[in-house]
Amino acid sequence: KAGVTQTPRYLIKTRGQQVTLSCSPISGHRSVSWYQQTPGQGLQFLFEYFSETQRNKGNFPGRFSGRQFSNSRSEMNVSTLELGDSALYLCASSLTGGGRKAYEQYFGPGTRLTVT
Amino acid sequence: AQSVSQHNHHVILSEAASLELGCNYSYGGTVNLFWYVQYPGQHLQLLLKYFSGDPLVKGIKGFEAEFIKSKFSFNLRKPSVQWSDTAEYFCAVTSGTYKYIFGTGTRLKVLA
Repeated sequence: KAGVTQTPRYLIKTRGQQVTLSCSPISGHRSVSWYQQTPGQGLQFLFEYFSETQRNKGNFPGRFSGRQFSNSRSEMNVSTLELGDSALYLCASSLTGGGRKAYEQYFGPGTRLTVT
Repeated sequence: AQSVSQHNHHVILSEAASLELGCNYSYGGTVNLFWYVQYPGQHLQLLLKYFSGDPLVKGIKGFEAEFIKSKFSFNLRKPSVQWSDTAEYFCAVTSGTYKYIFGTGTRLKVLA
């Protein structure tokens, strides 16, 4: 079974631009979560989507948004990029339907975003 | 607000030494606890998890963790580390939702 895939793997953008990152979950996984990983901050939760609805949200400004499609693929958008948005953005998927398996997250390789 | 603290940011050990990485969380209710590992050049992967029951849980590659509710801790242990355990380790907590709070990570370097 293919793992979580994220595209693109690397991205360089300029301050003020916007960016869209994509995540394809493991087949059969319907929950997708996004994280920002930076040195010293660890992983910070951005949001989680399930059945095309944002189910949980972290403490990030409104410039960070996301969506999920009917095939469970998810996109994350960051508008008006700032230097501080440079980070590794990770996507994770998990099974749904309740039970403990639903809490086990499978991570993708991440998208390395550099803002100049 | 929930938080997770990993006090050891960098740990260096020799092969065969014992390992204990600290993890403390702040939340008074029921929690689910996890340790994830990120080997160099690889994805984050689940090492072990605790939901309820026996507070001593065993994971992959000989790792174990103990949940001590009174101390709000979930420390990771391994009796004898190997060079291949060199990685970054993350503790995470969720309180029953699918919103995870991760610690800042501990970089472990094992010297051969």
